[in-house]
Amino acid sequence: AQSVTQLDSQVPVFEEAPVELRCNYSSSVSVYLFWYVQYPNQGLQLLLKYLSGSTLVKGINGFEAEFNKSQTSFHLRKPSVHISDTAEYFCAVIGKTSYDKVIFGPGTSLSVIP
Amino acid sequence: DGGITQSPKYLFRKEGQNVTLSCEQNLNHDAMYWYRQDPGQGLRLIYYSQIVNDFQKGDIAEGYSVSREKKESFPLTVTSAQKNPTAFYLCASSTRVSAETQYFGPGTRLLVL
Repeated sequence: AQSVTQLDSQVPVFEEAPVELRCNYSSSVSVYLFWYVQYPNQGLQLLLKYLSGSTLVKGINGFEAEFNKSQTSFHLRKPSVHISDTAEYFCAVIGKTSYDKVIFGPGTSLSVIP
Repeated sequence: DGGITQSPKYLFRKEGQNVTLSCEQNLNHDAMYWYRQDPGQGLRLIYYSQIVNDFQKGDIAEGYSVSREKKESFPLTVTSAQKNPTAFYLCASSTRVSAETQYFGPGTRLLVL
């Protein structure tokens, strides 16, 4: 089974500043990793995902994440945030077996301050 | 446009009443899911279905029921046995249950009167 930890429940950041949202996971098998974003009162949409290959993954809206197997982390970064990035961000993991289901972290609320 | 629709956007339930949340997708996805979202708790899986006429319980299935009679549809019934139903309910689908991006609907907010 897998688990996901997002240590920061809320992250305030000023507009145009950089941001990092942290995600750590635990798993006894190899995993796939995802970041989803949820705007207020909406469903989730995929920002980016890591399946294999390069550990630096680029997604939509200027976000990127780096898979670190030794530290079991998949932190999300953006060099310069905009007001429109204010949202809830969820890290998710799934084991590389046929029967595993996606496990979502508790989410990090990013608030961009003008 | 392909996507997932959920209705209604808001739903009110009276004590002892069963209510059904609709979820429809035209993405031709085999797998569909229902999640419950409470503040600060992320998403918890209620039920999922990998194929028509088959579904499995998730982590918090008690007080809920589902059906999968058509590939496009996966309705969720919140029964009177669910004592704390107030939450935001999200439906999702994917090509299969494994390693695939999940596509989410806009959600239904259920409130108890």
